[in-house]
Order: sequence, then structure tokens, then C-alpha cells
Amino acid sequence: DAMVIQNPRYQVTQFGKPVTLSCSQTLNHNVMYWYQQKSSQAPKLLFHYYDKDFNNEADTPDNFQSRRPNTSFCFLDIRSPGLGDAAMYLCATSRDGDGNNQPQHFGDGTRLSIL
Amino acid sequence: SQKIEQNSEALNIQEGKTATLTCNYTNYSPAYLQWYRQDPGRGPVFLLLIRENEKEKRKERLKVTFDTTLKQSLFHITASQPADSATYLCALAFLPGFQKLVFGTGTRLLVSP
Repeated sequence: DAMVIQNPRYQVTQFGKPVTLSCSQTLNHNVMYWYQQKSSQAPKLLFHYYDKDFNNEADTPDNFQSRRPNTSFCFLDIRSPGLGDAAMYLCATSRDGDGNNQPQHFGDGTRLSIL
Repeated sequence: SQKIEQNSEALNIQEGKTATLTCNYTNYSPAYLQWYRQDPGRGPVFLLLIRENEKEKRKERLKVTFDTTLKQSLFHITASQPADSATYLCALAFLPGFQKLVFGTGTRLLVSP
């Protein structure tokens, strides 16, 4: 089945130690998103890629970076994780091109813990 | 800034009843409104999309209404089942075509046998 896969499901890192989360998709969607979701809160958009074009949200900390080497893969890099970065990180994809709003397809997330 | 309100308290209902969840928004009216289901430890799953010029949308036991005057969407699950227990998120998109979604915090639904 076509899907969005996030690895790993659980990641533990030390305070200040760089960490990379990965996302792959078999949907061939041109838009990929990264969200941060803390307990009982709404998913918060960090950035998205429209094809190869990177779009950062104004309030996303500089600590968060992203790479999209090809259509299928997208990475979230946290350069120096702080305790406040402990959260669920969700990757999503959507298709664009016909002028209509499209649903987003989410992976099951990576839960990041900071020691 | 845009504000989306969903009831933060869990909704407890009995199996077989209709569950009604509310999504209210302030300021600008969205062009589209989407509803997602999220189970614990999982990513959201898309359920329904409704456009600003549509009053109602149905899919099997699900129904969504969109009242741009009241700035409100209602999400109904008829003949609810324990398997419907989850958190339901509404999400707004403010322009046609590709647009980012703004999510609400969700309402947790608990359906007891």
C-alpha cells in the first residue's frame, strides 16, 4: 500500500546532541510537511517542501532544519535539541496541481525524547 | 491571528448514540475545512473535506456541516461504536488550491459499550 513511513518510531537523544528524523513516501506527492505535536496540542507546522522549494514557518526556531534530496525522502535535523523539543514529529504529504484543496497523508510520527 | 476552538474536554457517549463535535473559528473564513481522526501514538488520518460553498457532506456514518455565518463546523458520527473512540481534529485552509492547514487541538471522543 502507498504510504508515509517515518523512522525511527522512537528516538532518544541527549541534550544538545544533533538528531535526524527521516520520512519516506510512496505516494509520489509533490508536497511534504513536518509538524511538531506536543501532548494534547494541535500539530504545529514547522516547514514544508513544495517540490524542491523549501518554505519555513516564521516562528520555526533556527535549530530546526530540513532536507529533501528527492521526491520520496525528507529529513528533519535538530541541530542542538533542548528539553523543550521533546515531542511527536509528524511527516505528511499532499498532492497539488488541480486547484482544489487536498487532504494530507500522515506518517505515524517519531516520538523524540531528550535526556 | 486565526484561532480555532475545539472542546478540550472529552466527549463521553454510549454506543449507538450520535456523537457531535464542534469546531469554531475566529477572524477569516476558510475556503476549506477538513476533519481528521488521530489515535494515541499515531498520525492523523483524513476523514472528510468540506468547501465553503457546501453546507453539508456525508460519508457512511459521518456527516460534516459548515456554517460560515456562525463560523462553525459540526462533525457527527451516527450509530457510534467503541472503535470510534479517538481524538478528532479539525483543520482549516484559507485559500483554494495548495494551502497549508491550521489545526485545532482536537476533541477526544470516548464511546462506551
